[in-house]
Amino acid sequence: DVVMTQSPLSPPVTLGQPASISCRSSQSLLHSNGNTYFNWFQQRPGQSPRRLIYEVSNRDSGVPDRFSGSGSGTDFTLKISKVEAEDVGVYYCMQGTHWPPTFGQGTRLDIK
Amino acid sequence: EMQLVASGGGLVQPGGSLRLSCAASGFSFSNYWMSWVRQAPGKGLEWVANMNQDGRQKYYVDSVEGRFSISRDNGKNSLYLQMSSLRAEDTAVYHCARGGSHDFSLWGQGTLVTVSS
Repeated sequence: DVVMTQSPLSPPVTLGQPASISCRSSQSLLHSNGNTYFNWFQQRPGQSPRRLIYEVSNRDSGVPDRFSGSGSGTDFTLKISKVEAEDVGVYYCMQGTHWPPTFGQGTRLDIK
Repeated sequence: EMQLVASGGGLVQPGGSLRLSCAASGFSFSNYWMSWVRQAPGKGLEWVANMNQDGRQKYYVDSVEGRFSISRDNGKNSLYLQMSSLRAEDTAVYHCARGGSHDFSLWGQGTLVTVSS
């Protein structure tokens, strides 16, 4: 199975400041069809996960534009331009290129 | 509003069985692959099983193969997970999710399954 490794696991974050989460896969996530099936999910406390970003850099409907995704191959990044209080939660990366789909271990975002 | 609502969780003894349900609304359920994804207490996410639109293709994570069975009723906009021979390590919140493997675009609120004597 493809191993997804996130870092950091619990970054120090300040309101209004930028934040960045990295995710590295153990294999390239470029699919033979040319797509890269890499996604980011947010799980707020007490809630179910919600998809934020699909296929590396496409924001889901309703996701604030302070969230952006980038990367290719095996290295990917989620950036929050200015952290807001509602961004508290756990963020997961996920690959859907190789079988079975696998998730990162999660990065907990807490506001200092 | 697009929504997935999971139900059927509870406390069950090791070796027991449980059937989870997921009711979909607000989108064309029959057009989508559907999945179950679980989350052990305080842990991360693990894909468990999925099924294609007509129910003919179904896949499972190795750890539940032969014990869990995924099914769907497109007429009732519902997804199911029949779980048997349950083990302590199956204890988790089980989420239903729209999608097969490339991504999971919509999630239900989850139902807690606790396997304990």
